[in-house]
Amino acid sequence: KQEVTQIPAALSVPEGENLVLNCSFTDSAIYNLQWFRQDPGKGLTSLLLIQSSQREQTSGRLNASLDKSSGRSTLYIAASQPGDSATYLCAPKPKGGSYIPTFGRGTSLIVHP
Amino acid sequence: DVKVTQSSRYLVKRTGEKVFLECVQDMDHENMFWYRQDPGLGLRLIYFSYDVKMKEKGDIPEGYSVSREKKERFSLILESASTNQTSMYLCASSLTGPGGPPLHFGNGTRLTVT
Repeated sequence: KQEVTQIPAALSVPEGENLVLNCSFTDSAIYNLQWFRQDPGKGLTSLLLIQSSQREQTSGRLNASLDKSSGRSTLYIAASQPGDSATYLCAPKPKGGSYIPTFGRGTSLIVHP
Repeated sequence: DVKVTQSSRYLVKRTGEKVFLECVQDMDHENMFWYRQDPGLGLRLIYFSYDVKMKEKGDIPEGYSVSREKKERFSLILESASTNQTSMYLCASSLTGPGGPPLHFGNGTRLTVT
C-alpha cells in the first residue's frame, strides 16, 4: 500500500524566504502527483499536477519537481508571502488498484510579515 | 471553471439522527469521492463512485452509506450519527482515465454530532 510522507510537518518563516516542501512516497508506479493547498476550515485547492513523464511543473511562484524513481516530489515556493500561509498536501496517483490518490498529512506553513 | 459544491458548510446533529451530506459537481465528471479529515489522521477515503448507481468502499466505510442516482450528485449518508463521526467531510470529483485527470474538491462540511 502506498505510503506518503511530507516533511517538514510544520514550517514558520519570515516573509520573503524561498521555501522547499518535501513529499516522499513508497511506490514509484504512479501516473501523476498532485499538490494541493488547504486554508483553515476549507476544502483543497489544486495547485499543480505533474504527470509521471514530467520532471517539473511551474505556476507563478510555485514550482513542483518529480523524481519518480526515487519516490520524491518537491514543492518550491519563491519569495514567500503571508498569503501563502496554509497547509500543503501532496497526492500521488497509483497505476494499479483503484487508481485513487493517497494523501500525505501535509506541511503546515506560516509566513509571518 | 470546475465547481464542486457541498450543500452545507457547517452542520450540527444529534446522536442517532440520520444525516445527509450532499455534493454536486458541474463538470460531467464520472468519478466522485467522499473523504473525512481529522487532525493527525489526514484524509481518509470513505466511499467512491465511478458511475451512476455504482459505489465502492474506501478505507473507512463503516457507519456510512452513499447514493448516486444522478451523475452530478453524490450523497453521503450517516444512518445513525455518532459522536465519533464529528469531522470535516470533503467531496471530490474527477474525470475517468487513470492517466492523468486531477481531483477537484468542494469546500467541505464541518459536521458536529452532539
